Amino acid sequence: AAGVIQSPRHLIKEKRETATLKCYPIPRHDTVYWYQQGPGQDPQFLISFYEKMQSDKGSIPDRFSAQQFSDYHSELNMSSLELGDSALYFCASNPRGDRGHNEQFFGPGTRLTVL
Amino acid sequence: AQKITQTQPGMFVQEKEAVTLDCTYDTSDPSYGLFWYKQPSSGEMIFLIYQGSYDQQNATEGRYSLNFQKARKSANLVISASQLGDSAMYFCAMREGHSNDYKLSFGAGTTVTVRA
Repeated sequence: AAGVIQSPRHLIKEKRETATLKCYPIPRHDTVYWYQQGPGQDPQFLISFYEKMQSDKGSIPDRFSAQQFSDYHSELNMSSLELGDSALYFCASNPRGDRGHNEQFFGPGTRLTVL
Repeated sequence: AQKITQTQPGMFVQEKEAVTLDCTYDTSDPSYGLFWYKQPSSGEMIFLIYQGSYDQQNATEGRYSLNFQKARKSANLVISASQLGDSAMYFCAMREGHSNDYKLSFGAGTTVTVRA
């Protein structure tokens, strides 16, 4: 079965650089979530999208922005990178309104290292 | 305030034995969902089991079962017949509200190490 695809899997950037993380949800999943997991920490919700509209927002820095495109893939844009942005970034997806699917399906994550 | 509390940072369990991972939650929403995810050292998040707040029976999925005590607001995960491959970090998470498009709030996690 198709899973959530994230690219790149690993990314190394310098401070003050920009980064773009991509997420391709499972086919027919219209809702996408982004989470940030710092070293030794639990995942923290950043932002979510449904049908290309932002549906919820968590602790996402103003330096970050995200969007969902017409094919439902999503991109997380990160600017002015800081050392503290080094983390594992997860994308998850699920089909909204389908009450038989309660779980969020997580991608493998993008490991971002800021030097 | 922390919505999900996992009080066990780490646990050791002997192979083939059962282990219980504690999870308590805090919400005023009558409709919510509770999840357990496994995160091996490779980093991916693997869904294990789900319990809805209105579910009458405790959820089970193979060797995983959820001991749901609604009045105590606890949702402990029981792994039976532990295997070496069960060594991982385990997260309890909650979704508040009746819709399944709501964000998850995670606990701090419990590291399980299975000994041969």
